[in-house]
Amino acid sequence: DADVTQTPRNRITKTGKRIMLECSQTKGHDRMYWYRQDPGLGLRLIYYSFDVKDINKGEISDGYSVSRQAQAKFSLSLESAIPNQTALYFCATSDPDPNQGTDTQYFGPGTRLTVL
Amino acid sequence: AQSVAQPEDQVNVAEGNPLTVKCTYSVSGNPYLFWYVQYPNRGLQFLLKYITGDNLVKGSYGFEAEFNKSQTSFHLKKPSALVSDSALYFCAVRDRGSTLGRLYFGRGTQLTVWP
Repeated sequence: DADVTQTPRNRITKTGKRIMLECSQTKGHDRMYWYRQDPGLGLRLIYYSFDVKDINKGEISDGYSVSRQAQAKFSLSLESAIPNQTALYFCATSDPDPNQGTDTQYFGPGTRLTVL
Repeated sequence: AQSVAQPEDQVNVAEGNPLTVKCTYSVSGNPYLFWYVQYPNRGLQFLLKYITGDNLVKGSYGFEAEFNKSQTSFHLKKPSALVSDSALYFCAVRDRGSTLGRLYFGRGTQLTVWP
């Protein structure tokens, strides 16, 4: 979805390096999410944010941190990258729909990160 | 605890034949259910969702899904498969009683439609 962009799209780094993945959205959504995808494991939630002042850990937050710089921007950092953080990372956004009782998440194109 | 199972890692079907991608779920309350599709080198695209009402939900690209509460299933279907439907499909669930908006995803099913 072109409304959700991620940079970089691909990154190769070395163990111990600090890495930042960035996500921007033009959908005007308050909620933003970071997931990682590993083959055969589906998507797992790392962090999520319901507004600029709200940050919450997901199921696999260890080794990661996030920053919500603005409504439209949500960054994921790996303070000291390790090889088992090699994965495909997705950002997503959503807004609650009071008419439907739930929100739909819209995903960015992903960042493929390789840690050597 | 919330969980989603996609019992088939791979589904192969001939073009023009009907396809089914299976999904079963477990939630503590009533579910919202979603299907997403991932094409190579692309992000996940929303296909359809079940909220309430009619158990048959129609979505994008001719896909539909049937909610079956007694079997806790939400299988994705299409009457006539296309080669371009070949992709990775994810089922996801959210507990209706949760205010957090978290989705729980299955592991994905690779659909291959051969000519």
